[in-house]
Amino acid sequence: EVQLLESGGGLVQPGGSLRLSCVASGLTFKSAMSWVRQAPGKGLEWVSLINPSGDSTYYADSVKGRFTISRDNSKNTVYLLMNSLRAEDTALYYCARLQGGFDIWGQGTMVTVSS
Amino acid sequence: QSALTQPPSASGSPGQSVIISCTGTSNDVGGYNYVSWYQQHPGKAPKLMIYEVTKRPSGVSDRFSGSKSGNTASLTVSGLQAEDEADYYCSSYAGRSWVFGGGTKLTVL
Repeated sequence: EVQLLESGGGLVQPGGSLRLSCVASGLTFKSAMSWVRQAPGKGLEWVSLINPSGDSTYYADSVKGRFTISRDNSKNTVYLLMNSLRAEDTALYYCARLQGGFDIWGQGTMVTVSS
Repeated sequence: QSALTQPPSASGSPGQSVIISCTGTSNDVGGYNYVSWYQQHPGKAPKLMIYEVTKRPSGVSDRFSGSKSGNTASLTVSGLQAEDEADYYCSSYAGRSWVFGGGTKLTVL
């Protein structure tokens, strides 16, 4: 079964850090991978993307300098390290494969930034 | 990295066709043929419906089609069915970044 499984979300205080993980199974991992978030009741927002080899990364202006995307192809896993978290980072974070469009999505992991 | 502009809502009766627009700029929609459309039902992950402006992934009904003219892309849903009621989002490559539209809630009357 083709699947992306995110983990690592939770409740964190403003200024804190979290690392999200996304494990791929049943699909080719030799694709660009992305993180997309959705605040409660709001629309989709692209966050970051990493190319297949991991040597090129891209970020939304809203997270640049605070978030870092990386991948371990030997583990079929992509990560999102989130530092200096703000209340506006509260969202459901999806992992998605980019192949044409974002063609495969996980079910998301919730991140809540609150004191 | 400004969001693409979509109408907040759209509606149609079963069997009818509805068109959802997605307006950007020459830096995103107008500059690249990398527009995609996503369907999202409540509580579910988004599903890719159209990619590269007009292409349909395997398994997506041919009632869904995409087009683009200038800085505006469009999703047409033909032969509306009850299960088409969902939120729809467009997305475009924008040169080292991607951008989504604000979403359109499609109601089947």
